[in-house]
Amino acid sequence: DTAVSQTPKYLVTQMGNDKSIKCEQNLGHDTMYWYKQDSKKFLKIMFSYNNKELIINETVPNRFSPKSPDKAHLNLHINSLELGDSAVYFCASSPSTSVGYNEQFFGPGTRLTVL
Amino acid sequence: EDQVTQSPEALRLQEGESSSLNCSYTVSGLRGLFWYRQDPGKGPEFLFTLYSAGEEKEKERLKATLTKKESFLHITAPKPEDSATYLCAVQGSSYKLIFGSGTRLLVRP
Repeated sequence: DTAVSQTPKYLVTQMGNDKSIKCEQNLGHDTMYWYKQDSKKFLKIMFSYNNKELIINETVPNRFSPKSPDKAHLNLHINSLELGDSAVYFCASSPSTSVGYNEQFFGPGTRLTVL
Repeated sequence: EDQVTQSPEALRLQEGESSSLNCSYTVSGLRGLFWYRQDPGKGPEFLFTLYSAGEEKEKERLKATLTKKESFLHITAPKPEDSATYLCAVQGSSYKLIFGSGTRLLVRP
């Protein structure tokens, strides 16, 4: 069983479209995250939710909106896609944010290509 | 501002040739330093967490150490299957995980 899963694996779309990426974790973790990995391989935090509550919201365009229907799911919706949004997006989860329980486990990534 | 710098950017080793990867960091209120391994086309895989200077952790051929300014990932007698990108990250008082750009390791048979 995959611990942190994301769908789709690949997403190719046109500029201006709206798309969503889904993430689910079956580890029973309280905290989930979205990261963006750019072409230079830097991983940058975008959002974090703890028990469905937003706790980290980095300087990300308003076109990006996370949604957490329950603590096992954290979806990412992107409006009006732009060329610069092309990247690999990773979902992650951790038991909590407490020291000693904050190791993050990552999903396989979603490669988004905007044409 | 929290920052992580990894060196070298790339490292080529012969099988069995031991070496070390460096992770220098500045962070406000260190909550943890993390090492991950990332294979091409996959998500980062958790390796170690270090919480305080002087701490060491080992897993198979890998050993991670921590000082107040840097961490080292020592690879002893590496095998080709150890080839991957190794990522270092720190978590400070902001709870955010700040990643370095990684070290690409290639181990030749």
